[in-house]
Parts: sequence; C-alpha cells; structure tokens
Amino acid sequence: DADVTQTPRNRITKTGKRIMLECSQTKGHDRMYWYRQDPGLGLRLIYYSFDVKDINKGEISDGYSVSRQAQAKFSLSLESAIPNQTALYFCATSGPATGWGTGELFFGEGSRLTVL
Amino acid sequence: KNQVEQSPQSLIILEGKNCTLQCNYTVSPFSNLRWYKQDTGRGPVSLTIMTFSENTKSNGRYTATLDADTKQSSLHITASQLSDSASYICVVRNTNAGKSTFGDGTTLTVKP
Repeated sequence: DADVTQTPRNRITKTGKRIMLECSQTKGHDRMYWYRQDPGLGLRLIYYSFDVKDINKGEISDGYSVSRQAQAKFSLSLESAIPNQTALYFCATSGPATGWGTGELFFGEGSRLTVL
Repeated sequence: KNQVEQSPQSLIILEGKNCTLQCNYTVSPFSNLRWYKQDTGRGPVSLTIMTFSENTKSNGRYTATLDADTKQSSLHITASQLSDSASYICVVRNTNAGKSTFGDGTTLTVKP
C-alpha cells in the first residue's frame, strides 16, 4: 500500500459544486501539505499543517479550505468549484525539519479534478 | 523574493545519450536543495539532496552538483534510458520554517 493515499484519483464536477479531496498517510509524519499543479507550471502550495492543531495558508489558498482530522488525515475542500480550479492536486508529507538532510516531501499519486 | 529557475523547460534526447539540467536559485537562507523526478501522472519522488557543504552527489546514473557561491545546481543524467522520460523538479528549502520553493521543472523526453 502507498504511504500517502489520495482519494478520489479522478473527479469531474460542475461549477458551484462542493468537492472534498482526502489524503491519508502511514508515514507517521506530523507535517502535511496540499499542492496544486497546472500544465507546464510548478507545484504551488495551497495549505499546510505542521500538526493536528496547526493550519497555515500557502501561496494560493483563496477558494480552498482544509481540515486536519487526525495526524494521518488532511482534507482539501473546494466550497464552490470553478473551472480555473481544474488541476492536478497533490498531498504530501514530511518529517521534522531539524538538521541537514531533512524536509524530503513524500507525495501521493495525485487527484485530477476537472470542473466543467 | 525566493525563486527557483530551471532550464531548459524541455529537452529531447536519444536513448543512451547524456544530458544536464540546470537550476538557479535565489532562496536564502539556504538549507538544502533536492532534485525530484516526476513521472507522468505520478507524484514527485526525491532523487538526491544537496546540502551547503556538498559539491557533488551521485545516485546511480544521476549526478547532482551544487555551487553554493553562485547558487546554481545541475543534474547530469548519464546513458539515458527510456524510463528517464519525466519531469525533473528542483526544490530549494530555506531555514525559515523550512519552507520549500519549487522550480517549474524540466520535461525530459528520451527517444529510442
């Protein structure tokens, strides 16, 4: 089984619908992230969480919200989806950021969202 | 502003040939630099990490270099294989809350 699991892997929805993307991990990491990837562009950070009680906005948080239900679960919601939110979404985890050689991100397989 | 720029944007080479991908960054203060490989439709996977004191590091046919003075890194792929076709992403981490800055990636296509 994958260390970082995302559901659903593919989703087609209509403008205005509420969508939730879910992420669960078995790596035991405290830090979890949601990224968005558009064709030809780099990964952009939407939200991140360093522990269950910690939620932080990334560079493109508008139109999105998150919930950290447990150490292993981090969900991304689009309250009212719009077409320009069509993208590939990745969840990632990382271990504690202490010392050199840390900060490796472990990504899920991605959730492809299409908003019509 | 922390930035990571990669070149070229895309590259096509024949199987068996070598290639070098470039990454320039302005991230400060610097913690480490990672190269990730992202196969089509998959999540990125770390290939190698470079810290401030490291100049060269190899991982099989992949060799990464870092020049911390000029803030440049390269990823050299030797004897390319079809399975090397992927996007290669340079990610630089700073020491302020451990934030990572991503490059846009280089898309490598290896043709038979």
